[in-house]
Amino acid sequence: NAGVTQTPKFQVLKTGQSMTLQCAQDMNHEYMSWYRQDPGMGLRLIHYSVGAGITDQGEVPNGYNVSRSTTEDFPLRLLSAAPSQTSVYFCASSYSPATGSYGYTFGSGTRLTVV
Amino acid sequence: DAKTTQPPSMDCAEGRAANLPCNHSTISGNEYVYWYRQIHSQGPQYIIHGLKNNETNEMASLIITEDRKSSTLILPHATLRDTAVYYCIVRGSGNTGKLIFGQGTTLQVKP
Repeated sequence: NAGVTQTPKFQVLKTGQSMTLQCAQDMNHEYMSWYRQDPGMGLRLIHYSVGAGITDQGEVPNGYNVSRSTTEDFPLRLLSAAPSQTSVYFCASSYSPATGSYGYTFGSGTRLTVV
Repeated sequence: DAKTTQPPSMDCAEGRAANLPCNHSTISGNEYVYWYRQIHSQGPQYIIHGLKNNETNEMASLIITEDRKSSTLILPHATLRDTAVYYCIVRGSGNTGKLIFGQGTTLQVKP
């Protein structure tokens, strides 16, 4: 089925561990982004990419790295997990036309707990 | 991207129309108004977007004022499944990219 696939759905990490959250889309969308959502809060943009090989920082980029080697994949890396990174992470994608605008498709989220 | 202002919460009776307001007084000419909703802890769901004309789809209608400084999302016949947090977002066109979420409006549909 077409859409945005995030893996894993749940993860528990110890402080200082590293991991990569995976995000893949099969809609040939140029634009991809990562958000985090803390309990009772709205979504905050971590990093985004407007195409393969191009990434940029969002509102809360510290502690996270991204890369975009293919159109389909946009992994998010936590180099040294901290309890403050306990959150739900959402990946999203969209067409990125020269003009006009399109809605985003979101994944179902990765629930990360850092102990 | 322009900032938006929404009421933190609203109630609506089941079967009635839900009208969710949004102010975006600093919107610029090439910025679109988007609406998303998030049901419980699921990923946000795109509802509708528009530039200056009113828009309608199978989910909702979007009414944008002539000066574009405010808009209203209308769910014509709200059901219990429409209980969610609704986000109004302004975003530039093309490759300007970023979609910045505010706090949204929590809509509670009551039987």
